[in-house]
Amino acid sequence: NAGVTQTPKFRILKIGQSMTLQCTQDMNHNYMYWYRQDPGMGLKLIYYSVGAGITDKGEVPNGYNVSRSTTEDFPLRLELAAPSQTSVYFCASSSSGGEGNEQFFGPGTRLTVL
Amino acid sequence: GQNIDQPTEMTATEGAIVQINCTYQTSGFNGLFWYQQHAGEAPTFLSYNVLDGLEEKGRFSSFLSRSKGYSYLLLKELQMKDSASYLCAVMDSNYQLIWGAGTKLIIKP
Repeated sequence: NAGVTQTPKFRILKIGQSMTLQCTQDMNHNYMYWYRQDPGMGLKLIYYSVGAGITDKGEVPNGYNVSRSTTEDFPLRLELAAPSQTSVYFCASSSSGGEGNEQFFGPGTRLTVL
Repeated sequence: GQNIDQPTEMTATEGAIVQINCTYQTSGFNGLFWYQQHAGEAPTFLSYNVLDGLEEKGRFSSFLSRSKGYSYLLLKELQMKDSASYLCAVMDSNYQLIWGAGTKLIIKP
């Protein structure tokens, strides 16, 4: 099992450009999450999904969009990139969303917006 | 509001014991997680507590007191590879994880 994979690992964007961060998991998990991690701050939830075709906003969804057409894939779309979106982005998955279900994280995408 | 507090940085000596504290105020409580994150890498799961008391797992133990909104992670027989950030996260009433900023642990020989 590869677990959770993310591409690309690194990316530099210019202000106003768009891009899609890819996330795939091969553990047949229903729940998937997108977080951003900024220096000195805890992980912040951007969007999450409880299954194919179902997505919901997290704490910091503005400037992002997601889709979940399959169980395996959960891409994150940035439209009109801004410097405030410079961050490390982690995708995670879990078998369910209830108590005790650990989240498995991908290796992250380091994004810089200049 | 929801808040998770952990010390920013701690230093310990190889072979020693260190305790990393976490205090929380959240809307609801459905368990507390500890994750380890090495620099430049993804967080990995260490422990989960939902009932009061101590959970031991090898060199690592985690304690929870729900009435005090308090947890700690205890690392014994420290090794250089334990140099990492340790993240405390609480699952709130919506079953979403609220994360602390993490404690960077520096191990000195």
